[in-house]
Amino acid sequence: DIQMTQSPSSLSASVGDKVTITCRAGQNIGTFLSWYQQKPGKAPKLLIFAASSLQSEVPSRFSGSGSGTDFTLTISSLQPEDFATYYCQQSHGSHTFGQGTKLDIK
Amino acid sequence: QVHLQESGPGLVKPSQTLSLTCSVSGASISSGGYYWSWIRQLPGKGLQWIGFIYNSGDTYYNPSLQSRVTILLDTSKNQVSLKLSSVTAADTAVYYCARDLGPDYGMDVWGQGTTVTVSS
Repeated sequence: DIQMTQSPSSLSASVGDKVTITCRAGQNIGTFLSWYQQKPGKAPKLLIFAASSLQSEVPSRFSGSGSGTDFTLTISSLQPEDFATYYCQQSHGSHTFGQGTKLDIK
Repeated sequence: QVHLQESGPGLVKPSQTLSLTCSVSGASISSGGYYWSWIRQLPGKGLQWIGFIYNSGDTYYNPSLQSRVTILLDTSKNQVSLKLSSVTAADTAVYYCARDLGPDYGMDVWGQGTTVTVSS
C-alpha cells in the first residue's frame, strides 16, 4: 500500500487567509492525486483531480499542484464555507487517503 | 444528474456478513467506463477505501480487506453491492459508495453514506 501523509493534521485560520495543505506519497504516484473536502455528517466532495485540475463548479480559489511524491492544496482566500476537513487520495493502483487536515476558524 | 443511495442493515452481529447495496440513478453501471467504489469512515476517523468494481465486472480490493470483501454489479437493478464477511466491532463505520472516474479523475459523485454498527 502507498502511504499518504498530510500536514498539518489541523489548522486554524481566518476568513480571507491563504492556506496551504501538503500531502506526501510514500512512492512516486505521478499525478494520480485527488483532493476532497468533507463537512461534518456529509459525504466527501471532490475538489481537485489529477493533482491540479479543478472539478466542475468548484470555486477557483481552490488550486492544487505537485507531482511524484509531493503535492499541495491551496485555498487563496478562505471563505466561511471552507472550514472543513480536507483529504488527499492517491489512485496509483489501489486507493489510499491521507489522514485528513481539519481546518477551523481562528 | 447521477445519484447514489446506500442501503442495508444498520446493525450486524459479530462474525456475520455485512451486506450493503448502492442504488444508482442517472447513469448505467454497465456502461460509460466508470468504476464504482466503496469507502468507509470509522467513527471520528479518516477515510478508508474498500475496493471498486469496473463496469466489466473486474474488481480491485484494498489488500488489508481483500480476504473478506466482495463487490458485485447487479445490472438488472442498476445496483452495486458490498459484502464484508466475518465482521468485528472494528468494522463499525459509515459506508459510502461513489462513482470513480478512474485514476486520473477521482470520485466525483458520492452517496450520503449509511451507518453500520457491529454489535451483539
